[in-house]
Amino acid sequence: RKEVEQDPGPFNVPEGATVAFNCTYSNSASQSFFWYRQDCRKEPKLLMSVYSSGNEDGRFTAQLNRASQYISLLIRDSKLSDSATYLCVVNKGGRRALTFGSGTRLQVQP
Amino acid sequence: GAVVSQHPSWVICKSGTSVKIECRSLDFQATTMFWYRQFPKQSLMLMATSNEGSKATYEQGVEKDKFLINHASLTLSTLTVTSAHPEDSSFYICSALSEEKLFFGSGTQLSVL
Repeated sequence: RKEVEQDPGPFNVPEGATVAFNCTYSNSASQSFFWYRQDCRKEPKLLMSVYSSGNEDGRFTAQLNRASQYISLLIRDSKLSDSATYLCVVNKGGRRALTFGSGTRLQVQP
Repeated sequence: GAVVSQHPSWVICKSGTSVKIECRSLDFQATTMFWYRQFPKQSLMLMATSNEGSKATYEQGVEKDKFLINHASLTLSTLTVTSAHPEDSSFYICSALSEEKLFFGSGTQLSVL
């Protein structure tokens, strides 16, 4: 079983739609969680951290469910510029090396 | 946010040659840097953790003699792919921690002919 699992997609949605991604992680001792965005052949960029209480940043909402070991990302009012691969990232602590999911590809269509 | 500079952005080389990739933290000191590799449509895979002034820590399955890492200063880590082969063709990316957040270099696309 992979340490971090995501549905690879692609998710094809029209502009303005609401879309949600889930990600599961296997290590219950994982300490911190993030969503990164990666455009094709570019470096990943931090989208948002994920907190137990849930957090929101504009059109983006992230939630963490430690009991079920999954995190989610909700994007409201999708824009064409949201088209990218969204990476679920988990930090097990210690050396602080992050473990990346394989990413979920989102394609927002006009 | 913090800036991590990586170069070259892409390199094409012949099989058997060595390629050096540099990763610099421009506005902060990074005692630890990470090197990742990403094959098409796959996730970033951690190759090694680079520690300033000491030997790098390699992940299982990564050959330390093939992927030489040097972290001689607080702002520079280098990855040298020695005797590159076509199967080493990949996207290599470095990252460094700043204020609890991970920042990435822009990546190096390596193509070995």
